[in-house]
Amino acid sequence: NAGVMQNPRHLVRRRGQEARLRCSPMKGHSHVYWYRQLPEEGLKFMVYLQKENIIDESGMPKERFSAEFPKEGPSILRIQQVVRGDSAAYFCASSPIRSGTGAGHSPLHFGNGTRLTVT
Amino acid sequence: GENVEQHPSTLSVQEGDSAVIKCTYSDSASNYFPWYKQELGKGPQLIIDIRSNVGEKKDQRIAVTLNKTAKHFSLHITETQPEDSAVYFCAAGLTGTASKLTFGTGTRLQVTL
Repeated sequence: NAGVMQNPRHLVRRRGQEARLRCSPMKGHSHVYWYRQLPEEGLKFMVYLQKENIIDESGMPKERFSAEFPKEGPSILRIQQVVRGDSAAYFCASSPIRSGTGAGHSPLHFGNGTRLTVT
Repeated sequence: GENVEQHPSTLSVQEGDSAVIKCTYSDSASNYFPWYKQELGKGPQLIIDIRSNVGEKKDQRIAVTLNKTAKHFSLHITETQPEDSAVYFCAAGLTGTASKLTFGTGTRLQVTL
């Protein structure tokens, strides 16, 4: 069973370039979450998507950042005109569709992240 | 919004000893509390979780306790082993598929021989 797949594992960009991070969720998972982790810090929520829909983007910076999860293909986190402060590890997580009723929670399964370095 | 505080930031124990990591949360509506283990260069891995209708949960050497009144929860690792060395994160959120988690700042656990 393949887990959450993220690529690339490492990405180096110069200031002003664009960064594209990809995430393929676990098989059968239709919910994708992006988190950012700065060195020696915890993970900060960025955005939550379902297929073709952005459900919650309350953690996304207002400018330069965008995310999508198309009907076919991986979820993409796109950072335009990168700056040094964007250097971080970006983690994608997925969860399955919750079946049935009740107060269940779908645990998040994380990928191994993309480490973005802006020079 | 939710705010999660985690202590200590670093913890060193001898092999075989117990380790305890504590977290507090601010939003009384939160009802789901997972713990993640992150090894160097990898993503966080879920090790145990607890819902607010349960006070304690145990899985082999790992246990989690929850005090809803005080809004704090703790991770207990007994008989620690070198492979337990990692960064541990607590988190708080709401049950349901649309929930997002708020993470603590992590505890770096070092198990020494």
